[in-house]
Amino acid sequence: DAKTTQPPSMDCAEGRAANLPCNHSTISGNEYVYWYRQIHSQGPQYIIHGLKNNETNEMASLIITEDRKSSTLILPHATLRDTAVYYCIVRGGWGKLQFGAGTQVVVTP
Amino acid sequence: GAGVSQTPSNKVTEKGKYVELRCDPISGHTALYWYRQSLGQGPEFLIYFQGTGAADDSGLPNDRFFAVRPEGSVSTLKIQRTERGDSAVYLCASSREGFDTGELFFGEGSRLTVL
Repeated sequence: DAKTTQPPSMDCAEGRAANLPCNHSTISGNEYVYWYRQIHSQGPQYIIHGLKNNETNEMASLIITEDRKSSTLILPHATLRDTAVYYCIVRGGWGKLQFGAGTQVVVTP
Repeated sequence: GAGVSQTPSNKVTEKGKYVELRCDPISGHTALYWYRQSLGQGPEFLIYFQGTGAADDSGLPNDRFFAVRPEGSVSTLKIQRTERGDSAVYLCASSREGFDTGELFFGEGSRLTVL
């Protein structure tokens, strides 16, 4: 599975949109991009995933570039409860998800 | 409905002892995963079950680690001759493989401390 690169940390003001970048330049055609987050002392939580089209659900939006080498997770109106580590993962087919170090997002009042 | 349940939530043991960690997946989920997470790091894959069989055990660090899922539901992670380096949070997840949304449902984890 392709590796991903994320910034180690970022801050966001409460009520503003949080844009979390992820680079996956070696992604192959059948690999999906997944986003999970992990709030302190909890297990990871699924957010969203996509292949090549942009995706939106009640939690977030996922924007994937046309060449699929990078993506951005958008939290439209960040709240204090969105403070967490966010993981961008690339996976083809079924089986394990390989987590990296993720991005520590801190939402401040 | 009930989520993934892991027991015990905390386990403190002495170096060299044997430990079992249990995972009850969401009912009907055929895939089950074990991960471990050390402080400040992302979850590290250990093993993945599809039904009763281990489909991928490439993440098990050595032969002291073993996992079973005899009836395709509950799974037990077994660690023999524990070492201080085994201290971590052990996470279990399940999913409805066959409807591959990529959505794994994680439990709260079992925190293992080896003294």
